[in-house]
Amino acid sequence: DAKTTQPPSMDCAEGRAANLPCNHSTISGNEYVYWYRQIHSQGPQYIIHGLKNNETNEMASLIITEDRKSSTLILPHATLRDTAVYYCIVRVDNTGKLIFGQGTTLQVKP
Amino acid sequence: DAGITQSPRHKVTETGTPVTLRCHQTENHRYMYWYRQDPGHGLRLIHYSYGVKDTDKGEVSDGYSVSRSKTEDFLLTLESATSSQTSVYFCAISEQDRVIYGYTFGSGTRLTVV
Repeated sequence: DAKTTQPPSMDCAEGRAANLPCNHSTISGNEYVYWYRQIHSQGPQYIIHGLKNNETNEMASLIITEDRKSSTLILPHATLRDTAVYYCIVRVDNTGKLIFGQGTTLQVKP
Repeated sequence: DAGITQSPRHKVTETGTPVTLRCHQTENHRYMYWYRQDPGHGLRLIHYSYGVKDTDKGEVSDGYSVSRSKTEDFLLTLESATSSQTSVYFCAISEQDRVIYGYTFGSGTRLTVV
């Protein structure tokens, strides 16, 4: 079973920040949080990951709460091309398998 | 991604026939994975490989087998295709286990079993 909970859908206005929440209350101390997105029928695309500290890259920022039970992916200036399904994933075990949940469908509107 | 190629991209086959999907990588990554994606179920892991000739089952492995005779190729075989195996199949590669590196996914194979 996926170890994360995400809202099924969200809307965001173009140019505004998109904040996508994820709950992972059963996360263990050595598990990373990953975010991927899938645009239309393409293969999922890696966005960002983190363990404890907040992370930022050219695509997004990841804010992880101090207790690590939840996180937020931030797309600072959403564009129409950011419309996609966003998956928050906690690694299940040390074999490297990623278990995907249902994700959040983000619709960026003009 | 240029480093991972799936073939064929589309296939229609009849129930009961064998089907093999190929995933080819040029990144020399150790780990390779096969997922299927269906409406309402998201991405589900079928099988994965952690090295040449080293494979293991995922959550939906029934009806599928895999082989990895060399680092660059990971084959997924449906021994006798059924309509329930109509799906989009994605291959992924990963550089290391215990990773802090992400997966890279292929573009997918759309399989229809009629």
